[in-house]
Amino acid sequence: DSGVTQTPKHLITATGQRVTLRCSPRSGDLSVYWYQQSLDQGLQFLIQYYNGEERAKGNILERFSAQQFPDLHSELNLSSLELGDSALYFCASSPKGTGNSPLHFGNGTRLTVT
Amino acid sequence: GQSLEQPSEVTAVEGAIVQINCTYQTSGFYGLSWYQQHDGGAPTFLSYNALDGLEETGRFSSFLSRSDSYGYLLLQELQMKDSASYFCAVRDEDDYKLSFGAGTTVTVRA
Repeated sequence: DSGVTQTPKHLITATGQRVTLRCSPRSGDLSVYWYQQSLDQGLQFLIQYYNGEERAKGNILERFSAQQFPDLHSELNLSSLELGDSALYFCASSPKGTGNSPLHFGNGTRLTVT
Repeated sequence: GQSLEQPSEVTAVEGAIVQINCTYQTSGFYGLSWYQQHDGGAPTFLSYNALDGLEETGRFSSFLSRSDSYGYLLLQELQMKDSASYFCAVRDEDDYKLSFGAGTTVTVRA
């Protein structure tokens, strides 16, 4: 158990809808990362937060947004969903978000868009 | 930006040794990491190299050559449970986001 909690585990929704994925980092970790993993693909970096502030952004679509709250949990909002958004969405956390801090991943949210 | 290249698949028998190579291009280098992911599961951290040389952790070792922008993960005494995907990863020039390679699927056969 990595200590990172993601909810829900599974999500099935229709095209055009909006969903929110939630992540609670490990106790004491200040940095949260979001990754997208499509079927048989690598981990695509979406966005990183550190202590409530956005630190780095990847190729995140404009339909996607995220935030990190004062209690350090984070939410990833996906809107106007398309079939191609079906993927595993991982959240990870680390103490500082830099250097050799290893990332601890949650078990992911599997999103299916029908 | 960053780019990482690693082989897509490797197959070996139990007890064998497998080497997964990773070459990278990045504007600023803050170390090479390796992660393991079993099918559909959470990736887990294996190792980190910031300096040239070999780091050994049990059956797994990781090597880095900064001058060659190259590293590898060595899996020894392969076991069936080592069947998984292995990803190399580097941070960007600001030492923030961690970018992953496409992953190498290792299949261990009896």
